[in-house]
This record gives sequence, C-alpha cells and structure tokens, in this order.
Amino acid sequence: DGGITQSPKYLFRKEGQNVTLSCEQNLNHDAMYWYRQDPGQGLRLIYYSQIVNDFQKGDIAEGYSVSREKKESFPLTVTSAQKNPTAFYLCATRGGTYGYTFGSGTRLTVV
Amino acid sequence: GQNIDQPTEMTATEGAIVQINCTYQTSGFNGLFWYQQHAGEAPTFLSYNVLDGLEEKGRFSSFLSRSKGYSYLLLKELQMKDSASYLCALYNYGQNFVFGPGTRLSVLP
Repeated sequence: DGGITQSPKYLFRKEGQNVTLSCEQNLNHDAMYWYRQDPGQGLRLIYYSQIVNDFQKGDIAEGYSVSREKKESFPLTVTSAQKNPTAFYLCATRGGTYGYTFGSGTRLTVV
Repeated sequence: GQNIDQPTEMTATEGAIVQINCTYQTSGFNGLFWYQQHAGEAPTFLSYNVLDGLEEKGRFSSFLSRSKGYSYLLLKELQMKDSASYLCALYNYGQNFVFGPGTRLSVLP
C-alpha cells in the first residue's frame, strides 16, 4: 500500500544537538511538506518542496533545514539554532483525492 | 491573507449531533477540506467541498457557503471514538493548504 513513513516515532534531543527526522513516501507525489504542531495548536508550515532539488521556507523555517535529493525523501533537520524544538512534527504529501496525506508523526523532546 | 477561525473546544454527548463551524476571510479559494486528528496521530481526510451545499458521507456531513464565508462539519450519532480534533483547511490550485487552528471535540458518555 502507498503511504508516508516517518521515523523515528519518538526522538530525544540534548541541548545543542542537531537531529534529523526522516520522511519517505511511495505515493509518487511531487509536493512534500513539514509541519510543526504544539499541544492544542494548529499546524504550522516549516518547509515545503514542490519538486526534487527545490524547497521553500514556510512560516517558521528558522532553526530548521531540509533537503530534497530524491522524490521519495524529504528529511528535516532540527538544528541547535531552534530554541524551542519540543513538538509533534508531521510530514505530508499533496496529491490525489484527499488533498494532503500525512505521515504518523515524530514527537521530539528536548532533554 | 486567509484567516480561518474555529472554536477551540466543544463537548457533546454520545448519540447526539454536533456542528463544528469554520469561518474564513479570503478573496477566493478552490476547495475546503476537513480532517480528523486523534491525539498524537496524523490527521486523516474526512470531507471536501468545492461547491456550495452539503456533502454527506455516512455519519459525517460538510457544508459550504462561499457567500457567507463559512463551512461546518456535522457529526451525527456521536460515538466515543469521535473524540478528536477537527481541522478545516482552504485549498487553492498550485498553493499550499491553509489550516485552521482546529476544534477539540470531547464526546461524553
């Protein structure tokens, strides 16, 4: 079955560390997105990519970086410059009937 | 811009009907989506409106009025498993979705 795989499900980061969240899709969708969700809040767009080797900043890109070397993969790195990274991170693709298809999410916690 | 408003929280009783509103201020859009999100999980697609009127899908229906600038999601015969957040989102061709803040629904026995 086609879908989006996010890993890991839970991630712990020490102060000053960079961590990378994985997002892989086999839906053959061109557009991929990263959203951040804080408790009780809506979705905020971090970065998005419409095609391979191209990506754009979203509303809250500071402290994050991405790459899009393959159509299937859109990893997100949370850098040490992101001062409050504890949140639920969702990767999504756009295409087909349902608009957005979301991965199962990664919960990142700073320890 | 596209400002979207939703009530923050709602409570309803099992077996009842609940209406979750979504109001927006925008110059135009192609469609409006509704997603359901259980705590700690990914949002999943519920419904999509392009034209004004009601779209019915089992216990869930969504309504759109472009002239009045609002949509609502209607949930009938509420079940405990319907306790979740409900997100509305506006869509324009070639542009990113704009999500509302979400409404957290609690269904009580």
